[in-house]
Amino acid sequence: DAGITQSPRYKITETGRQVTLMCHQTWSHSYMFWYRQDLGHGLRLIYYSAAADITDKGEVPDGYVVSRSKTENFPLTLESATRSQTSVYFCASRSLSSLKETQYFGPGTRLLVL
Amino acid sequence: AQKITQTQPGMFVQEKEAVTLDCTYDTSDPSYGLFWYKQPSSGEMIFLIYQGSYDQQNATEGRYSLNFQKARKSANLVISASQLGDSAMYFCAMREEGTGANNLFFGTGTRLTVIP
Repeated sequence: DAGITQSPRYKITETGRQVTLMCHQTWSHSYMFWYRQDLGHGLRLIYYSAAADITDKGEVPDGYVVSRSKTENFPLTLESATRSQTSVYFCASRSLSSLKETQYFGPGTRLLVL
Repeated sequence: AQKITQTQPGMFVQEKEAVTLDCTYDTSDPSYGLFWYKQPSSGEMIFLIYQGSYDQQNATEGRYSLNFQKARKSANLVISASQLGDSAMYFCAMREEGTGANNLFFGTGTRLTVIP
């Protein structure tokens, strides 16, 4: 299917475990982003990528790792999950076709860390 | 300092009435874009409307319009003829074009409830 997909949609894990959230887009957008959504904070940027093999930190990167070996995939890894990483995670992508181009969001992954 | 401020945690509106959701922003970048997103209870983020900092006219998209007051740094969303399906969280966001990240800065959102 065309668009941006995330997997899994729901995940329960325990503190200390490694978790990888997947993101896949079919548009060949240059930019991809990971946000987390928490009550009272809106969405905050974790990491972003301007192209394959180019990634950089956002506002809240601690405890997360990303990679982008292919344009269409942008996985987010929690190396050792903590309860504070319980959140809803959104992946997004954007082309550079115009300034008004919006970001397109995936459906989100709800992560619960016990 | 917060880049995007939404001061209304919750709003109520009667069906078929208009409602304004407030958003103020803070940036020193002369080139920026302002966005509004809707997040229904199902959780997805739905793009509603965009306003560029150099746009001379206020943006409109169907029942949505953006009241852009550049000097006041405000970008309020106006929803006309509210419908029950408009009940959702609404987020204001900004992208500063001068940065390399191209990411969006979000406000904390306003929960709109449409009353029948």
